[in-house]
Amino acid sequence: DAGVIQSPRHEVTEMGQEVTLRCKPISGHNSLFWYRQTMMRGLELLIYFNNNVPIDDSGMPEDRFSAKMPNASFSTLKIQPSEPRDSAVYFCASSPRGRPREQYFGPGTRLTVT
Amino acid sequence: QQPVQSPQAVILREGEDAVINCSSSKALYSVHWYRQKHGEAPVFLMILLKGGEQKGHEKISASFNEKKQQSSLYLTASQLSYSGTYFCGTVSGGPTTSGTYKYIFGTGTRLKVLA
Repeated sequence: DAGVIQSPRHEVTEMGQEVTLRCKPISGHNSLFWYRQTMMRGLELLIYFNNNVPIDDSGMPEDRFSAKMPNASFSTLKIQPSEPRDSAVYFCASSPRGRPREQYFGPGTRLTVT
Repeated sequence: QQPVQSPQAVILREGEDAVINCSSSKALYSVHWYRQKHGEAPVFLMILLKGGEQKGHEKISASFNEKKQQSSLYLTASQLSYSGTYFCGTVSGGPTTSGTYKYIFGTGTRLKVLA
């Protein structure tokens, strides 16, 4: 079975540009999580969805960040405008119905904002 | 509010044992453990749902003391493949408190197994 798919794997952009990260969860999973990982702050939950509905977005750092899940097989995380402090690895994870704590992570997107 | 893991780092020889602890200041519903190898994504190892419950994965097991809000991961007869960073994940909150569950990962423990 295909795992969680993320694209792009690497993104280098200039400050002020819009960045869109994409995620395709494992088929049949109904919970989706967006995480950010940095050396300083570790692994932080940004937002999670249950059945395509955002449940908790309290981890989203500021209004520059937005996330959508238009259907069960696709989600996006957008940063507009991007800033150098947004540089990090962004992971998407999904979990099976009834087992939200059993999360399967995608390979991540390494974002560098110059 | 992030669960604190100890030790921060540990170096082992193949075949040695190690214990990684995870301590939270919040009441926990469950604890889950992940391993992340360098440059890769975290991989789910196991989840503990009940106080005092112990589970195992290969030669890795874990316990969860709900009253103490702590969990420990036990690695026995370590193998080279065990090297990586181990994270505990905790779930707190819920409908009876804040209304939503809070998923928070611990500070991480770097484990290196030498031949």
